[in-house]
Amino acid sequence: SAVISQKPSRDICQRGTSLTIQCQVDSQVTMMFWYRQQPGQSLTLIATANQGSEATYESGFVIDKFPISRPNLTFSTLTVSNMSPEDSSIYLCSVRRDKTYEQYFGPGTRLTVT
Amino acid sequence: AQRVTQPEKLLSVFKGAPVELKCNYSYSGSPELFWYVQYSRQRLQLLLRHISRESIKGFTADLNKGETSFHLKKPFAQEEDSAMYYCAPLNNNAGNMLTFGGGTRLMVKP
Repeated sequence: SAVISQKPSRDICQRGTSLTIQCQVDSQVTMMFWYRQQPGQSLTLIATANQGSEATYESGFVIDKFPISRPNLTFSTLTVSNMSPEDSSIYLCSVRRDKTYEQYFGPGTRLTVT
Repeated sequence: AQRVTQPEKLLSVFKGAPVELKCNYSYSGSPELFWYVQYSRQRLQLLLRHISRESIKGFTADLNKGETSFHLKKPFAQEEDSAMYYCAPLNNNAGNMLTFGGGTRLMVKP
């Protein structure tokens, strides 16, 4: 399995501001993903973070709202821009082991927007 | 539309009782299927995948293509099994992305 860390673990932010979440993996992985888990709900895929190119966003998510960086094979950031209370969620980083479809998850970042 | 359904949001059983967490999918072809578990205050982790045919922590899951189901079963539930369980098929018609069911909270009472 992969060891995944996320920073910050939680934050309380004011509406209209932005927060950048970092994800660090202990080994190089090709596939990294960002998910959102809204209160009481399941996980929803936001985007695939591609190394060296623009992220691939799922329906309902756009780059202006959730810009993603992936400078190398062990690190990615997700920014939640111009936040509103509806963005209050847990944001999860996930990686997939190469040559398998097994995915591993970070501990999550709990974001509260007031 | 391809989807995965976990019909029970909450399943409550007594310790030692059998447990079955239901998962139905509507994917075409032969998707790979996974069960993930999230214990209290822990991160989401892979429990098992159907292709491995393993028993993990006493849990097994059989893929039934006829019924398009992938139910998770354990003959004797333990209190430490209390957690949130997610069924997750791999959507091979959408770039091989995991799609998560709504989840079932299992509560095992003493």
